Amino acid sequence: GESVGLHLPTLSVQEGDNSIINCAYSNSASDYFIWYKQESGKGPQFIIDIRSNMDKRQGQRVTVLLNKTVKHLSLQIAATQPGDSAVYFCAEKGAGGGADGLTFGKGTHLIIQP
Amino acid sequence: SAVISQKPSRDICQRGTSLTIQCQVDSQVTMMFWYRQQPGQSLTLIATANQGSEATYESGFVIDKFPISRPNLTFSTLTVSNMSPEDSSIYLCSVGYTLQGGEQFFGPGTRLTVL
Repeated sequence: GESVGLHLPTLSVQEGDNSIINCAYSNSASDYFIWYKQESGKGPQFIIDIRSNMDKRQGQRVTVLLNKTVKHLSLQIAATQPGDSAVYFCAEKGAGGGADGLTFGKGTHLIIQP
Repeated sequence: SAVISQKPSRDICQRGTSLTIQCQVDSQVTMMFWYRQQPGQSLTLIATANQGSEATYESGFVIDKFPISRPNLTFSTLTVSNMSPEDSSIYLCSVGYTLQGGEQFFGPGTRLTVL
């Protein structure tokens, strides 16, 4: 997996604007990806997932884009709200099958400005 | 999704002691995992908890330090043995429903501080 630094990247967005959070993953064989939201003092909350046979998936106010060529994943949040402020992690699962756990990216701290 | 609880939610422990963390799910799940999240950092997989057999550990984690039990499909424990301040972290359990991947859901975490 990716190395993890002590300081998370921060993205500051005006309330109501759209935000895009990016993630570079490490394993070209990974076949499943998840975005999680983690609020302070809580466990990660599942937002949306995507399999490697897709390049886009939409949920409520969120869209995940997958570019396997450059091993890049993004999460788009539309019309951001104060409750969207949190740390966002991407996670990947390898293509080995079986009961693999997830490899997490570094995380991005999203701050919604009023 | 499953309702996942962990006990204790937090603890402060002395160096050299051990702490057992419990993870309880309100429904039967196929997979259970344990992760560690060090302060200000991302999550790292410790091991997969296998029902009725030894856990599968990731590189850098060993059974003597992090013994894991999973007696049934709804419960698992992680013990942090012979603790040092470097073990201060949040420990999280997660669950999944299929062997072929699929969503994983996380518990609230156990915040451990070792003095």
